Amino acid sequence: NAGVMQNPRHLVRRRGQEARLRCSPMKGHSHVYWYRQLPEEGLKFMVYLQKENIIDESGMPKERFSAEFPKEGPSILRIQQVVRGDSAAYFCASSPPGLAFTGELFFGEGSRLTVL
Amino acid sequence: AQSVAQPEDQVNVAEGNPLTVKCTYSVSGNPYLFWYVQYPNRGLQFLLKYITGDNLVKGSYGFEAEFNKSQTSFHLKKPSALVSDSALYFCAVRDKRRSGAGSYQLTFGKGTKLSVIP
Repeated sequence: NAGVMQNPRHLVRRRGQEARLRCSPMKGHSHVYWYRQLPEEGLKFMVYLQKENIIDESGMPKERFSAEFPKEGPSILRIQQVVRGDSAAYFCASSPPGLAFTGELFFGEGSRLTVL
Repeated sequence: AQSVAQPEDQVNVAEGNPLTVKCTYSVSGNPYLFWYVQYPNRGLQFLLKYITGDNLVKGSYGFEAEFNKSQTSFHLKKPSALVSDSALYFCAVRDKRRSGAGSYQLTFGKGTKLSVIP
């Protein structure tokens, strides 16, 4: 039973380029969360998605950042026109739906974005 | 709004000694509380959780945590530390009330770096 899969594990971009981070949740999980971890800081919530729906994007920057979780395929976190301050580890987590959810999230290994 | 405080950035303990990593929380209602561990360049691994019931919760790798409602604390403990326990530890909280989309997210503390000295 594969866990949460994230790719790429490491991504290097120059300022102004686009970064796309992908996340496949655990089997049977239909809820996906994205968190960002800046150096020497904790995890900050960005967005919570279910299939084809953004449920809570209160932690997403208003510009340049977007997320989707299509009916088929992985969830994608997209960062347009990256800046050096976007350099961070981006973690995806998943959880099962409904009554099966008792709170804990299952995390992937993270995607580490470096902006040159 | 929910929040978590981990007052210590770093905890050092000698191998074989007991360890405690502190956590206090704030939620509007009753909390779900969690501890996660992160090893270098890895994702977060779930250690244990408090949902309801017994205030002392036992988890993976010999860790346990004690829920104290009056002190709004959920300290992580282990009777005898191992060098392999050295890692970054995160406490997290979620409000039990399903008061909207935001109630599903976990709020994390800043993390405490545990160093176990041989």
